Amino acid sequence: DVKVTQSSRYLVKRTGEKVFLECVQDMDHENMFWYRQDPGLGLRLIYFSYDVKMKEKGDIPEGYSVSREKKERFSLILESASTNQTSMYLCASRATGGARGYTFGSGTRLTIV
Amino acid sequence: SQQGEEDPQALSIQEGENATMNCSYKTSINNLQWYRQNSGRGLVHLILIRSNEREKHSGRLRVTLDTSKKSSSLLITASRAADTASYFCATGLNAGNNRKLIWGLGTSLAVNP
Repeated sequence: DVKVTQSSRYLVKRTGEKVFLECVQDMDHENMFWYRQDPGLGLRLIYFSYDVKMKEKGDIPEGYSVSREKKERFSLILESASTNQTSMYLCASRATGGARGYTFGSGTRLTIV
Repeated sequence: SQQGEEDPQALSIQEGENATMNCSYKTSINNLQWYRQNSGRGLVHLILIRSNEREKHSGRLRVTLDTSKKSSSLLITASRAADTASYFCATGLNAGNNRKLIWGLGTSLAVNP
């Protein structure tokens, strides 16, 4: 069964910490995405990547960075965590070409205290 | 920015009844997708309909698309308690370069046994 795996389901970190969220897919997809999901705001795109070492800003990139050194892995980095980054983080991937659906991971519920 | 708007925001029905959710959008699209999200989990891709299609079926799901009205509907027939979830529509704007989807805020469906 094809999969997008996020390294943690729940994570609690302290304000000011550097936080790494990892996402791995086994489908050889070119495109990978990081979203955050908040009540009343829906899914908001943070960053996406369409190839190894390539990245593009989404709608809310401030306070975040990403890394894609290998095709299967896309990491989201909170440079200096703040309480307003407490959220559900969702990783997704998609193959290139034509109209296709996304495959999502199970999500990471991140709490910054 | 949100393009899709689901209607209703919440829906409660009895098991065995049909559930209909609607999605409206603002700009021209290449495709429209529906996703399901169980509480606290990632999203699951249900069905994709292209702008040149009017209706599509998948099991108990039926999706229609009216590009003249910029709207889509998702019908779940003979609902089950396991269908309880949030349902999101997402629009893809460009063929082949469908890297970025525009998401609605979702319809919360409760199916009561």
